[in-house]
Amino acid sequence: QSALTQPPSASGSPGQSVTISCTGTSNDVGAAYKSVSWYQQHPRKAPKLIISEVSKRPSGVPDRFSGSRSGNTASLTVSGLQAEDEADYYCSSYRGNDIVVFGGGTKLTVL
Amino acid sequence: EVQLLESGGGLVQPGGSLRLSCAASGFTFRNYGMTWVRQAPGKGLEWVALIYGDSGGTFYEDSVRGRFTISRDISTSTLYLQLNSLRAEDTAVYYCAKFGNAYAIDYWGQGILVTVAS
Repeated sequence: QSALTQPPSASGSPGQSVTISCTGTSNDVGAAYKSVSWYQQHPRKAPKLIISEVSKRPSGVPDRFSGSRSGNTASLTVSGLQAEDEADYYCSSYRGNDIVVFGGGTKLTVL
Repeated sequence: EVQLLESGGGLVQPGGSLRLSCAASGFTFRNYGMTWVRQAPGKGLEWVALIYGDSGGTFYEDSVRGRFTISRDISTSTLYLQLNSLRAEDTAVYYCAKFGNAYAIDYWGQGILVTVAS
């Protein structure tokens, strides 16, 4: 099962906005069941859910994080970048047939 | 408070076996799907297996199907992953995790390292 496609790196200065893409197919990212999630992972830590169901923010996640989808590409936007946002970010999606797939991850650097 | 605590990792030789356990608490275990996700050193996340809360049905990523078995004990709220015929490429931190809505993983364990080497 091939992974969803993410850019390996992204960067921005404090206060700026950065968008990370996640490209799949009509069977996963673009499917009607809207099961795209985003996770933040700091070094040597477990991942943390920051976006579910394409655009829903769990309780406690700052509203600087937002998700969207257009066709087979989902996007995570981090607005008002802060130093603590520097981390790895992963998208995932349900692909049907009881399979879950992750993106390859994007390393976000705050300059 | 939801807690997921993995155990059972370690060093194993190629071809060997290992069983990972995950003690769950803070939620009604039988009502939720559970999953294992792994991360090889310096690499990204990879979904491994899932078990549905309602039916107990199990499903696997292609490279582990037939070698790994996910199971659960509802009476003790424990999730398991039996790893057989281990290969060097199975070396990774294995995370026990809970599904929320729409296959979003809303809680993760701290991870347990499995190293396959001679």
